[in-house]
Amino acid sequence: DAGVTQSPTHLIKTRGQQVTLRCSPISGHKSVSWYQQVLGQGPQFIFQYYEKEERGRGNFPDRFSARQFPNYSSELNVNALLLGDSALYLCASSTGVGETQHFGDGTRLSIL
Amino acid sequence: GESVGLHLPTLSVQEGDNSIINCAYSNSASDYFIWYKQESGKGPQFIIDIRSNMDKRQGQRVTVLLNKTVKHLSLQIAATQPGDSAVYFCAERRAGNNRKLIWGLGTSLAVNP
Repeated sequence: DAGVTQSPTHLIKTRGQQVTLRCSPISGHKSVSWYQQVLGQGPQFIFQYYEKEERGRGNFPDRFSARQFPNYSSELNVNALLLGDSALYLCASSTGVGETQHFGDGTRLSIL
Repeated sequence: GESVGLHLPTLSVQEGDNSIINCAYSNSASDYFIWYKQESGKGPQFIIDIRSNMDKRQGQRVTVLLNKTVKHLSLQIAATQPGDSAVYFCAERRAGNNRKLIWGLGTSLAVNP
């Protein structure tokens, strides 16, 4: 069975641009969470969605937004990119809120 | 609180030895704990979990111990192998409506052949 898949794997943007990252959960999983991981640190929670509704939000500015589609896939959007947004963006899926999360290999976003 | 560390603690062990990775969690109301392994260039991989009504759980070559009195979690890896080299994170899940995971700092495990 396919695990969590994320696209693209790598992305280079410049300051001020906008980016959309995509995630497909494990088949049967209805919840998707997004994390930002800066080099040398643990993942920081951004959003969790379950059945297309936002169920949790971390301490990130409004430039960050997300949505979940009827097929449970998800997109993370970041507007007005800053240098500090350079990080590995991880998507995790689970059967429900609070259940064990399984991660994709992330999208490496570099801001120049 | 959230993970805010800048430098990962490092544990260096000889191949074949046992490894113990420690984690202090922050909230006595947390009811579920997970250990993840993250290899370079990959996402975190689930290793083992434990609920707060248990104090020990064993998997294949791994054991997790939970001490709720001092809010301490440990991961023991038996007969450590080169493939165990990675960063290990503990995560706690807060009970209640906002059941997000709170991640620990992470420990880098280096296995020497």
